[in-house]
Amino acid sequence: AQSVAQPEDQVNVAEGNPLTVKCTYSVSGNPYLFWYVQYPNRGLQFLLKYITGDNLVKGSYGFEAEFNKSQTSFHLKKPSALVSDSALYFCAVRGNSGYSTLTFGKGTMLLVSP
Amino acid sequence: DADVTQTPRNRITKTGKRIMLECSQTKGHDRMYWYRQDPGLGLRLIYYSFDVKDINKGEISDGYSVSRQAQAKFSLSLESAIPNQTALYFCATSDAQATSYNEQFFGPGTRLTVL
Repeated sequence: AQSVAQPEDQVNVAEGNPLTVKCTYSVSGNPYLFWYVQYPNRGLQFLLKYITGDNLVKGSYGFEAEFNKSQTSFHLKKPSALVSDSALYFCAVRGNSGYSTLTFGKGTMLLVSP
Repeated sequence: DADVTQTPRNRITKTGKRIMLECSQTKGHDRMYWYRQDPGLGLRLIYYSFDVKDINKGEISDGYSVSRQAQAKFSLSLESAIPNQTALYFCATSDAQATSYNEQFFGPGTRLTVL
C-alpha cells in the first residue's frame, strides 16, 4: 500500500526567510509525487509534480520541490516566504500504473509571520 | 477550480436523513473522485470512477454510495447520515490521458454537518 508522511503539523517562518515543508512517501515502483495547497474556505490547488527527470521541480508561486529517491522524500521549498503563502499544504503520491489513485498526507499548516 | 462545481456548498442535516452531494465538471475529464477532509487526517478517498460505467470503492466507502449519471456528473449519497460523517467533502476530476499523470482538479468543497 502506498502512503505519505508529513511529519510537521505546522511550520512557522518569518516573511523573507526560506521555507521547507517536509514529505516522505512509500510506494511500489516509481513514484508520481504532487504538492497541493489549500487556502481557507477553498478547494485544493495544484502546485507542482514530479514524474521523472530533474530532481528539482519548479511550480507555481515560486515554490519548488526536491525529489530524493534514496531518502524517499519530496520536500517543498521556497527561497523567500510571503505572508500570503500561509495555507495548508498537502503532499500526495501515486504509483505509475494508469489505474493508481492519489494518497494524500495529513497536511502541514504553514504560517508566515510579517 | 471553477470548472468543477459542487452543490450544496453548506448543508446541515439530522441523523438518519438521506442526503446527496452533487458534483459537475466542464473539464471533459473521464475520471472523478470523492474525498472527505477531516482535521488532522488529510484527504481520504471515498469512491472514484474512471468512466461512466466504472465505480470503485476507496479507502472509506462504508456508509456512502455514488452515482455517475454522465461523464460530467458524479453524486455522493449518504443513505442514513450519522454525526461522524460531519466533514468537508471534495469532488475532484482528472484526465485519463497518460500525459497528465493523474493531476487532479478540485471543486470548492461541501461542508456537511450532521446533528
